Amino acid sequence: EVQLLESGGGLVHPGGSLRLSCAASGFMFSDYTMSWLRQAPGKGLEWVSGIIYSGRTYYSDSLKGRVTISRDNSRNTLYLQINSVRVEDTALYYCAKDAIRGDGNWDLDHWGQGTLVTVSS
Amino acid sequence: DIVMTQFPPSLPVTPGEPASIFCRSSQSLLGSDGHNGLAWYLQKPGKSPQLLIYLGSNRASGVPDRFSGSGSGTDFTLTISRVEAEDVGVYYCMQVRQPPLTFGGGTKVDLK
Repeated sequence: EVQLLESGGGLVHPGGSLRLSCAASGFMFSDYTMSWLRQAPGKGLEWVSGIIYSGRTYYSDSLKGRVTISRDNSRNTLYLQINSVRVEDTALYYCAKDAIRGDGNWDLDHWGQGTLVTVSS
Repeated sequence: DIVMTQFPPSLPVTPGEPASIFCRSSQSLLGSDGHNGLAWYLQKPGKSPQLLIYLGSNRASGVPDRFSGSGSGTDFTLTISRVEAEDVGVYYCMQVRQPPLTFGGGTKVDLK
């Protein structure tokens, strides 16, 4: 059974940094494209970043320069580093797995439950 | 970035009746491979989103056949042939033709 377990959320002050983690199990993690998405309270979904199985990375324009996605295939873990956090970064952050092995097609067939990031002074 | 426009924003439905949700992209999502890079997701209350449709019209594993996707290029439709009570939630279209991936604003479906 595919499982994605996010962690690392919490309360952070504006201007601070945090690293989110997503522990994956139940599939060959190293073979799949992975994504981070977020959802602000009461708002819609926003794709944040993605990383191809080969390591190539992509970012949303709104967060580019402040976030870094990475993966440790030996630990089956996906990461998202967020720097210079802003109040508007407050959201539930999800990791999600691509449906197709390899380069994938960005269709996200499994999502975690999310980790809540609250940015406040 | 590709902008996704979804409508209506809210859709009251009657169980047993059909329902349709529309999505329009600012650029064509039709690739040289003949596939449309458009997916539909349902987020049930308090839950993580789930994939319903990929490549514009292919049902994801385990998705009931009352859900269907259609359209090509810039205009897409998600149709529920006969709505059931468990179908309530917010539906999102998402373009996957090119990063950065972008979502429509969502359609909240609830029972009349």
